[in-house]
Amino acid sequence: DIQMTQSPASLSASLGETISIECRASEDIYSNLAWYQQKSGKSPQLLIYAANRLQDGVPSRFSGSGSGTQYSLKISGMQPEDEGDYFCLQGSKFPWTFGGGTKLELK
Amino acid sequence: QVTLKESGPGILQPSQTLSLTCTFSGFSLSTYGMGVGWIRQPSGKGLEWLANIWWDDDKYYNPSLKNRLTISKDTSNNQAFLKITNVDTADTATYYCARIVNYGSYWYFDFWGPGTMVTVSS
Repeated sequence: DIQMTQSPASLSASLGETISIECRASEDIYSNLAWYQQKSGKSPQLLIYAANRLQDGVPSRFSGSGSGTQYSLKISGMQPEDEGDYFCLQGSKFPWTFGGGTKLELK
Repeated sequence: QVTLKESGPGILQPSQTLSLTCTFSGFSLSTYGMGVGWIRQPSGKGLEWLANIWWDDDKYYNPSLKNRLTISKDTSNNQAFLKITNVDTADTATYYCARIVNYGSYWYFDFWGPGTMVTVSS
């Protein structure tokens, strides 16, 4: 199985701060990576697919990058509504696997 | 507008079979490239992928659940199903279904249902 190691596990950011969340795959996943945001008590919402493509309707302050085994999600200018949990998902090889998650809070 | 909604028994006893239904709208599972997956999340924990089914009835399962999973679909009624046999307390979780789409060779879930909570307890 491909292991997805996500970091940090938790993060506290100030309003307007730029933050990054990382996912490292145990082998090359060829950019087959998606990022999701999950707010408390809600289902995950797609932010980024194919490592760097922004899902329709997602604010442009969200961006994804990376290749091979290293990927990151960047939020350029933290907003109060960005609080929540963030997960990465690799769809390169079965079984599909998620990162362990990052809890993002507003400082 | 794509929507999905899960339904399940809410509570069941150890060793029973969990049957989940995903009822969706806004797309068809007979359309080339479309799929539905099941994912679960224990309270306060991360996400675990369980199984996927595609328009052509191709299926993939998480081997960590060995042979306990069965995924199926009813294309006419826009539903997908998941059965988990011989449940125990470790199967207590919120279960989600989600639509699978692709962008070229990149596959991912784009829309998710609200989830259904399942508790396994004697």
